[in-house]
Amino acid sequence: ILNVEQSPQSLHVQEGDSTNFTCSFPSSNFYALHWYRWETAKSPEALFVMTLNGDEKKKGRISATLNTKEGYSYLYIKGSQPEDSATYLCAFCNYGQNFVFGPGTRLSVLP
Amino acid sequence: DSGVTQTPKHLITATGQRVTLRCSPRSGDLSVYWYQQSLDQGLQFLIQYYNGEERAKGNILERFSAQQFPDLHSELNLSSLELGDSALYFCASSVLGGTGQETQYFGPGTRLLVL
Repeated sequence: ILNVEQSPQSLHVQEGDSTNFTCSFPSSNFYALHWYRWETAKSPEALFVMTLNGDEKKKGRISATLNTKEGYSYLYIKGSQPEDSATYLCAFCNYGQNFVFGPGTRLSVLP
Repeated sequence: DSGVTQTPKHLITATGQRVTLRCSPRSGDLSVYWYQQSLDQGLQFLIQYYNGEERAKGNILERFSAQQFPDLHSELNLSSLELGDSALYFCASSVLGGTGQETQYFGPGTRLLVL
């Protein structure tokens, strides 16, 4: 059974703070790691698809790193804004192209 | 708006019934994925189709089936419905060969309530 974990489960930060959270996944049969941003009452929106060990990706104030050997990825948000409030999901994909989602980290940015 | 459409938006039905959920991928996308999001289990991958063929299978029950048609739209059929099938069903699409390394674009979802 593939297990993907995310920590913390939830997070409250003040506007302007920088924050980060973790996705842990199996280190064997790694194929890809996806990050999504999911706002309440909307559908998941893709942030990054990461495939290579050591990958670093950036989109605006959000960036992510990937370590496939130890099975983790970090998502960083610099200078959090209230509009960053959402659940951030990671999804692990193995060579069988089976996607397993983590439970998500719920971020609340307080103005 | 991702360009992926799903119908209906809401569906209420009774236990034992059968329903069909429809998904139209973004123009040009060849792959369609189906996901289920229930309260107690989070987002779960059900099945993927690429250009009409089943590509990958996740936690899809035997009572559920899917297909992708020549025009690339996809349908998810849920039969002998149980209360526990109540969930939000998403489809997503991706551009090329349907590998796990492509960005997926999610539709708005169909909310199914089984009474």
